[in-house]
Amino acid sequence: RKEVEQDPGPFNVPEGATVAFNCTYSNSASQSFFWYRQDCRKEPKLLMSVYSSGNEDGRFTAQLNRASQYISLLIRDSKLSDSATYLCVVRYGGATNKLIFGTGTLLAVQP
Amino acid sequence: GAVVSQHPSWVICKSGTSVKIECRSLDFQATTMFWYRQFPKQSLMLMATSNEGSKATYEQGVEKDKFLINHASLTLSTLTVTSAHPEDSSFYICSARDGASGPYNEQFFGPGTRLTVL
Repeated sequence: RKEVEQDPGPFNVPEGATVAFNCTYSNSASQSFFWYRQDCRKEPKLLMSVYSSGNEDGRFTAQLNRASQYISLLIRDSKLSDSATYLCVVRYGGATNKLIFGTGTLLAVQP
Repeated sequence: GAVVSQHPSWVICKSGTSVKIECRSLDFQATTMFWYRQFPKQSLMLMATSNEGSKATYEQGVEKDKFLINHASLTLSTLTVTSAHPEDSSFYICSARDGASGPYNEQFFGPGTRLTVL
């Protein structure tokens, strides 16, 4: 079983749609959680951290359920520029500070 | 955010040659740098963690004699792929963490190096 699992998609949605991505992680000792965005043939870029209380940044809302080991990302009013791969990322605690990446969910926003 | 550069951005080499990739933190001191590899349609996989002035810590399954890592200064880490073969063709990405900001701060990613071995 992969440590971080995501639906690979692709998710093809029209502009203005709301789309949700889900992610599960297997290591209960995971301490920090993130969503990254990766454009084709580029490096990943931090989209937002995910907090236990849930957090919002403009059109993006992230949720964390530690009991279910489940993370979500909701994108409202999708834009063409949102088209990218969204990576669910988990960090283990301790001195290693390792990031474990999911395989990503591909989003294609259509005009 | 902080800037991390990689050089070269892409490289094509013949099988059996060695390739060196540089990762630099441009505006902060990186006590720790990480090297990742990403194959097409797959996730980033951590290869090794590099701490300045000490030996790198390699992930399970990564050959330390094949992927040589040197982190000789607080702003530079290098990854050398020795005797590269076509199966080593991949997207290599480094990230760096600003040690002055504590152990749990953000990792900043370089733009990646695309290696193609013929």
